[in-house]
Amino acid sequence: GAGVSQSPSNKVTEKGKDVELRCDPISGHTALYWYRQSLGQGLEFLIYFQGNSAPDKSGLPSDRFSAERTGGSVSTLTIQRTQQEDSAVYLCASSLAASGRAGEQYFGPGTRLTVT
Amino acid sequence: LAKTTQPISMDSYEGQEVNITCSHNNIATNDYITWYQQFPSQGPRFIIQGYKTKVTNEVASLFIPADRKSSTLSLPRVSLSDTAVYYCLVGAAGANNLFFGTGTRLTVIP
Repeated sequence: GAGVSQSPSNKVTEKGKDVELRCDPISGHTALYWYRQSLGQGLEFLIYFQGNSAPDKSGLPSDRFSAERTGGSVSTLTIQRTQQEDSAVYLCASSLAASGRAGEQYFGPGTRLTVT
Repeated sequence: LAKTTQPISMDSYEGQEVNITCSHNNIATNDYITWYQQFPSQGPRFIIQGYKTKVTNEVASLFIPADRKSSTLSLPRVSLSDTAVYYCLVGAAGANNLFFGTGTRLTVIP
């Protein structure tokens, strides 16, 4: 079946512009995660959606970052007034969040964001 | 928050067994241990998950001692295609328990 898809695959933007990154999770997966990965670094957790519950925003680095998930499916990560330090690969993952444990996460290919 | 500690890098020759150990001294009762593999320019891929003792699947084994303060991912007879970064995660349901860290960069040498 179809995996997690993300768009665009690459985005180059000028400093100060807003960007929107899209994630289409696997159908039926109730949990959706956004991570950021800078070159040569590990994954940095940004935000987590579980079903219709309020998202866990504890990882968002600043108030320029926001995310929403419509209808429990597609999610959009928005970065306002982009800065050069926002340049990274943004990864989305989804999972069937099994009771009591973190479900196996399926990752998309990521969006490479470059802020010039 | 149950963070993890792994070696930054490891080298191994083709055909050898590779063991990567992860320390998680603050693991909680509800936490599971999960390992992911990441190739360059790709998202991480699930390898194996366990709670205690030993878990084995078609690609790896996971050994967890009784105190659960560490775990060891074992890759049998590695090949060049196993060159990747391996992440150890500890957590229960809910993303604020998940910490990927910097992982272990495994390089398989011909």
